[in-house]
Amino acid sequence: DTAVSQTPKYLVTQMGNDKSIKCEQNLGHDTMYWYKQDSKKFLKIMFSYNNKELIINETVPNRFSPKSPDKAHLNLHINSLELGDSAVYFCASSQKTGELFFGEGSRLTVL
Amino acid sequence: GDSVTQMEGPVTLSEEAFLTINCTYTATGYPSLFWYVQYPGEGLQLLLKATKADDKGSNKGFEATYRKETTSFHLEKGSVQVSDSAVYFCALTLYSSASKIIFGSGTRLSIRP
Repeated sequence: DTAVSQTPKYLVTQMGNDKSIKCEQNLGHDTMYWYKQDSKKFLKIMFSYNNKELIINETVPNRFSPKSPDKAHLNLHINSLELGDSAVYFCASSQKTGELFFGEGSRLTVL
Repeated sequence: GDSVTQMEGPVTLSEEAFLTINCTYTATGYPSLFWYVQYPGEGLQLLLKATKADDKGSNKGFEATYRKETTSFHLEKGSVQVSDSAVYFCALTLYSSASKIIFGSGTRLSIRP
């Protein structure tokens, strides 16, 4: 029973397209996140939601829009994809202990 | 601002060697400190943590001690195995809600048989 699951695992698309990545957690956590990991493994937080409310919105292009329909789901929609968007995107969730639980990642390749 | 600095990799060791991966931090308050591990093709998972000064976190033979005087949280293991090959991330959070968790840049570890 996967705790944090994200789909799709791999995504290959052309520049200019729009795509979405979905994330679901069954841990009952209140807070969910999106992180971007580049080819050098550097992790950058993009967004954080607490109980469906946006609480962290780092410097991310407007083309990226998160949506949290309920506290167990956090989706990421990306418009007008660019080459530099190619990365692995990780969803994570946490409770108040400070420990993050990560999904397996979604590898996005923009051609 | 708050930050985490860890030694650059890659680190390559032979099996059964002693491992140290250095991590130092800068924080305005009293952070909780973490080590996460990322195995190839997977997401990060918590390896160990320490929430206050002098605490020692340990798991799977790995240890790290929260040193407030040197603002460090170095990761050690006495005898590494090939299966320890992964990327290791040091991290801190200043808030119990983990809203502001800050990661280091990661250290890739490769173990030769």
